[in-house]
Amino acid sequence: DVKVTQSSRYLVKRTGEKVFLECVQDMDHENMFWYRQDPGLGLRLIYFSYDVKMKEKGDIPEGYSVSREKKERFSLILESASTNQTSMYLCASSPRLQREGLHYEQYFGPGTRLTVT
Amino acid sequence: AQKITQTQPGMFVQEKEAVTLDCTYDTSDPSYGLFWYKQPSSGEMIFLIYQGSYDQQNATEGRYSLNFQKARKSANLVISASQLGDSAMYFCAMRELDRGSTLGRLYFGRGTQLTVWP
Repeated sequence: DVKVTQSSRYLVKRTGEKVFLECVQDMDHENMFWYRQDPGLGLRLIYFSYDVKMKEKGDIPEGYSVSREKKERFSLILESASTNQTSMYLCASSPRLQREGLHYEQYFGPGTRLTVT
Repeated sequence: AQKITQTQPGMFVQEKEAVTLDCTYDTSDPSYGLFWYKQPSSGEMIFLIYQGSYDQQNATEGRYSLNFQKARKSANLVISASQLGDSAMYFCAMRELDRGSTLGRLYFGRGTQLTVWP
């Protein structure tokens, strides 16, 4: 059974703290993604990775960094958490896109609801 | 410009009735795929249905069907015989065939909150 896990369902941190959100997938997928979800804004892509140690900025990378040292693990780092980073964070993975692979869905983790106070 | 537009922030439907959730998309790529996901209040994202741009027929999966109108660039989700458990947030998403990338990122709409009442 396909599985993407995230280290915490709920997290409360203080302003200025360094925060690590961990994501692990067991499907041997090349691609991994971090999104944040806010009411009325849908899912916005923060960062993605298409291979070990490879990463690229998504649409809203400011205030975040990522790390991918192993294929199955993709970490999102908030270097100095701020209240405007209070949100739901979703990790996803998918296989490498092939020419006939448009239909591959992204598999999502359960999400981490982060509150920064 | 937004690649995916969902114009209905909220929709209400009575149990056992059908409901249509709207989605329009914007792309110049002839090869693309359209997805619908369901997100219950628990937060997990559940894949529902997929439609490819070259598919001749509308996709169906059980009570879900996708009303694909290519010329209008719309991909509406139809849920037949609504159930209380269908109450959730629904997201439309698109993937383009970017020949310069193996990534195939998804572009998501802002979602529609569906409430099914008894």
